[in-house]
This record gives sequence, structure tokens and C-alpha cells, in this order.
Amino acid sequence: KQEVTQIPAALSVPEGENLVLNCSFTDSAIYNLQWFRQDPGKGLTSLLLIQSSQREQTSGRLNASLDKSSGRSTLYIAASQPGDSATYLCAVGNDYKLSFGAGTTVTVRA
Amino acid sequence: DAGVIQSPRHEVTEMGQEVTLRCKPISGHDYLFWYRQTMMRGLELLIYFNNNVPIDDSGMPEDRFSAKMPNASFSTLKIQPSEPRDSAVYFCASSDSGGGNTIYFGEGSWLTVV
Repeated sequence: KQEVTQIPAALSVPEGENLVLNCSFTDSAIYNLQWFRQDPGKGLTSLLLIQSSQREQTSGRLNASLDKSSGRSTLYIAASQPGDSATYLCAVGNDYKLSFGAGTTVTVRA
Repeated sequence: DAGVIQSPRHEVTEMGQEVTLRCKPISGHDYLFWYRQTMMRGLELLIYFNNNVPIDDSGMPEDRFSAKMPNASFSTLKIQPSEPRDSAVYFCASSDSGGGNTIYFGEGSWLTVV
């Protein structure tokens, strides 16, 4: 069974600092890996999708890397803003089934 | 597109009552997923459909839970009878098999069983 771990569970940074969120998984036979954002009381919004053949994906201030062999992914958020405060979840895809980590709750202080 | 639409957004019901949660996926998406989110267990996949056919229901906790997808634009998740431990947020999500597997989530149905 795929186990997905996210460290740290919570993170508080001052505005402008870069964010580094970590995700690890136990089974490297994955189809893809997705990073989601969840705001309180809301659903999940997909941020980045990395296919198993890719090493990274970028969208604006967000960059996600994938190292299948070591079972790790990292989400970088450059120049954080208070609007980036949310919970970020990593999900590993085996075919169409996603296994989620518990998330990292980020607070960006103005 | 309006996105994945779920109803009700919030429901409070008494133990033993039947609960029906509804979902309208994004038009054209051929995969539909039901997830449950709790503080203790995080996000868990309950069941998913492809072209209205249930593919994997191994995450359905027990026989009290059932899900149907009578057509491409509608799905239900039913709990009968409900129990307090079913209290959770239930998310519906959909995906287009040709879209790189990006999954789009609804806003969730917040269920409280008292």
C-alpha cells in the first residue's frame, strides 16, 4: 500500500520568504504526482501535476520536483505572500487512484 | 465551466437516518471519484467510476455505503443507516482521461451525524 508522508505538518514564515514543502512516498511505481492547495472549508485545487517521466513542473512562483528513485517530491513557492496561506497536499497517483499525504499547513505572516 | 458541483454543502442528521450526497461532474469528464476527509485519516478514496461504471470500490468502508452513477452527469453516495463515525467531509472529483490525469474537486459535503 502506498504511504505518503509530508513534512513539516505546519510552517509559518514571514512574507517574502521562500517556502519548501516536502513529500515522500514508499512505492516508486507511480504514474504521476500532484500538489494540491486546500483553503479552509473549501475543496482541493490542483496546483501542479508531474508525470512519472518528468523531473519537474513550474507554474509562476511554484516549482515542483520529482525524484522517483528516492520517493521524494518538493514544492517550492518563491517570494511567499499572505495569500499563499493554506494547506498543501501531495498526492501520488497509481493509475487513477490517488494516495494523499496529510498536508502541510502554511501560514505566511504579513 | 461551473466545476464539480456537490450538494448538500452541509448536512446534520441523526444517527440511523439515510444520507444521500449528490455530485455533478465537469461535463465531458469520464472519471468520477468519491473521497472522504477526516482529521484522523486524512483523504481516502472511497470509490471511482469510469464511464459510469464502478471500477474500484475497495475503499467503501462497509455495506452501509453505496454509490451509483446512473448517467455521465450525476452520481450519488448513500449512507444507510448513518452513524456518528461517518461524520466527515465527502468530496466528489472528476477527471478527463485525456487531460493528463489532473483531478478537479468539488467544494465538499460537510456531514455531521449526531
